[in-house]
Order: sequence, then C-alpha cells, then structure tokens
Amino acid sequence: DAGVTQSPTHLIKTRGQQVTLRCSPKSGHDTVSWYQQALGQGPQFIFQYYEEEERQRGNFPDRFSGHQFPNYSSELNVNALLLGDSALYLCASSWTGSTDTQYFGPGTRLTVL
Amino acid sequence: GENVEQHPSTLSVQEGDSAVIKCTYSDSASNYFPWYKQELGKRPQLIIDIRSNVGEKKDQRIAVTLNKTAKHFSLHITETQPEDSAVYFCAAVNNNDMRFGAGTRLTVKP
Repeated sequence: DAGVTQSPTHLIKTRGQQVTLRCSPKSGHDTVSWYQQALGQGPQFIFQYYEEEERQRGNFPDRFSGHQFPNYSSELNVNALLLGDSALYLCASSWTGSTDTQYFGPGTRLTVL
Repeated sequence: GENVEQHPSTLSVQEGDSAVIKCTYSDSASNYFPWYKQELGKRPQLIIDIRSNVGEKKDQRIAVTLNKTAKHFSLHITETQPEDSAVYFCAAVNNNDMRFGAGTRLTVKP
C-alpha cells in the first residue's frame, strides 16, 4: 500500500521562473491538500482539490494554482517565483468520507535564488 | 479565518517525565483537532486526533484533551523517551481548512 509520494525531492529556481510540483495520494484517497512550510514554522494551507476542482483555498495569491487529475494525483504550480517562496511544499491526501484525517507526503524543498 | 496559537515554542524534559503542549483556536466552527509529530527533515506524522464531540482521547503514552467552551486543546505525553524528541504541531480543522500552530520543539534528555 503506497503512501503519499511527491516529486521532485529538491528543486532550485531563480526569481521570476515558474515551477510545477507533483503529488500522488495514498491508495484509496481522493482528496489532495497542499501546504507551504517555511523554515521553523508550521505548514500553511494553500488549497485543497477534490473531484478535479479547487474546494477550499487559504491566503495565497493567484500565482499559486493547482490541478487534480482523474487518477486523483495533483500538481501545484507557482508562477513568477519570489525569494519568499522558498520553503518545503507538502501535500497531504485524505478520503472524502473522512476528509479531516490527512496524511502527508515527504515534501518538495524549493529554493528560489 | 482560524487562528491557532501553540505554547510553549520549546520544551525540554528529562526522560521519563511528562510533557504537555497547549493550543488555543479562534473559530468555534472548528470540529477536528489533529496533532502531528515532525522529525528533522521528515514529513509530519499524525500521532493522535480528537473530534469536537469528544473531550479526551488516549493512545498508550499519548493523550489529547479538548475544551470546546474555552476553545483550547492539549497534548500530553507521559513517560517520555529520547525518541519523542521532535517538533509537534497542533491543528484545527473547519470545513476542509486545516490551520496549524507554530509548533513546539520537544527535547527529551536521557
């Protein structure tokens, strides 16, 4: 039973570039949430996808967008990268029947230079 | 939106002692409260959770209490061990929106 997976593990970009991060949910899960975790802080909710639509969104600008595919996997896209976007990006999956219980992937460490 | 405050930010205990971490939340509509443990360089791992219709839940050395009226909840770890050393995050969930506290760095000294 595969857990939540994310790719890539690490990524280095420069300011102004665009980045795409990927997440595959745990087997049996249909909901994916994305979080940004800056160093020394708690994860900050970006948005949640269910049935290929954004269901809930946190306080992040439109530069942050996402997508969910029919197989429930998801992508996080960030445009016009800023230095402050450097962080660990975590995705978490859950089953809509128990949406509250979320399980995290290992994260993607994004560094913006 | 929801605001979760967590205290203390750092906690150091001797092996075998108990550790208590406290959180408060602002949104009375929040109805689910998970606790995550994050070791250095690793993903947050769910260790225990509690729903708003329950006042207390225990799992071996870990327990969580919830006071809905006061809007606070706490994590209790008894008989701490060095492997309990990590950062612990509380969270409050309302309608698919999970908000985290800033974390508590727990150090258990052997």
